[in-house]
Amino acid sequence: AQSVTQPDIHITVSEGASLELRCNYSYGATPYLFWYVQSPGQGLQLLLKYFSGDTLVQGIKGFEAEFKRSQSSFNLRKPSVHWSDAAEYFCAVGGRPNGYGNKLVFGAGTILRVKS
Amino acid sequence: SQTIHQWPATLVQPVGSPLSLECTVEGTSNPNLYWYRQAAGRGLQLLFYSVGIGQISSEVPQNLSASRPQDRQFILSSKKLLLSDSGFYLCALSGFGYTFGSGTRLTVV
Repeated sequence: AQSVTQPDIHITVSEGASLELRCNYSYGATPYLFWYVQSPGQGLQLLLKYFSGDTLVQGIKGFEAEFKRSQSSFNLRKPSVHWSDAAEYFCAVGGRPNGYGNKLVFGAGTILRVKS
Repeated sequence: SQTIHQWPATLVQPVGSPLSLECTVEGTSNPNLYWYRQAAGRGLQLLFYSVGIGQISSEVPQNLSASRPQDRQFILSSKKLLLSDSGFYLCALSGFGYTFGSGTRLTVV
């Protein structure tokens, strides 16, 4: 069964410091991987996605993620965090979006706090 | 482009009352449709998904049900709400990609 593990429930970083949010997945076929961000009281915003090709993908707001098939990981990084990055981040895995019976499964989320 | 219309944005309902949340889709045909719930302090849990009209798969046993009466319409229902049904409900589709609605925040009082 497909699953996503985000081992860190909360992370606190100083403004300007680098950030890495961990994500490990389990999926029996070629995974489609996503990172979403949710600000308090808001819906989901897609940060980036990986389908194929270059394993280092760039997203919005200066985020990037690296797909490592051997480690079943898709960690999210940002070189310098801004206070506005404080939010909850979700990693998700699914199959080809228009695939029959495909499901998108989310991790439990990581809450990012930014201290000044 | 594919879009989802989900309403209402917020809802306060008493325990034991019925529920109907609707989501409609534009810009794609025969999409996979999903209902997710996010309870306070928890991640996004997949509740139901549908691959076509009248076809519903339930991921977790619960007090809710889903229906898909038309290709682009997905409805989440309950006959009698429980306090534990409170949460943030998101409708989603997968067609050309994954698209999410803006969500409904349900508070059961």
